[in-house]
Amino acid sequence: GAVVSQHPSWVICKSGTSVKIECRSLDFQATTMFWYRQFPKQSLMLMATSNEGSKATYEQGVEKDKFLINHASLTLSTLTVTSAHPEDSSFYICSASGTGGKVADTQYFGPGTRLTVL
Amino acid sequence: QKEVEQNSGPLSVPEGAIASLNCTYSDRGSQSFFWYRQYSGKSPELIMSIYSNGDKEDGRFTAQLNKANQYVSLLIRDSQPSDSATYLCAVELTGGGNKLTFGTGTQLKVEL
Repeated sequence: GAVVSQHPSWVICKSGTSVKIECRSLDFQATTMFWYRQFPKQSLMLMATSNEGSKATYEQGVEKDKFLINHASLTLSTLTVTSAHPEDSSFYICSASGTGGKVADTQYFGPGTRLTVL
Repeated sequence: QKEVEQNSGPLSVPEGAIASLNCTYSDRGSQSFFWYRQYSGKSPELIMSIYSNGDKEDGRFTAQLNKANQYVSLLIRDSQPSDSATYLCAVELTGGGNKLTFGTGTQLKVEL
């Protein structure tokens, strides 16, 4: 139980294009989803928190117009990197938590999406 | 002072030994603590959560929480080469709204 999937697992795109990453909770309702970014040999950096049906809350320094987050249902959140540039190349990981049982107030991570911008 | 601190390691232990990983945190009001394991190139995987002072055991893993001294530790008994990974300590800070603050992780190497 508490499985989170991400798609795609990796993506290569050209500079200036937009990339959408999907995060799904497969066997529970994710009331809250989190998006992280991780650069090589660094720890996780929280980008934003999204609650189903609400606007995402972005961490300081994260551009909300560049990283568009949508959490339209209790099982799906998307992160769109708009006008991607090489410096956006990173490992993007989502996590999800729900209410009740083992998912209450506990974050379960998706497998991550490795983005390379050429 | 960082909010969550871990020794980056690497911590090397022989196979079969006990690995001890430590984490300190600055927010005295924190109530929820987590240990995640992250293999190179992969995403974090939850090992354990702990909320109350004392020990919590799950298989070969034991989490220890001491709120008075603001530290949480993870013991891995009978360490195996497959335990070689980076271990991330995560703390839900007071008023964090379920957000976790992660330490930089301790790299564990279990040697044959």
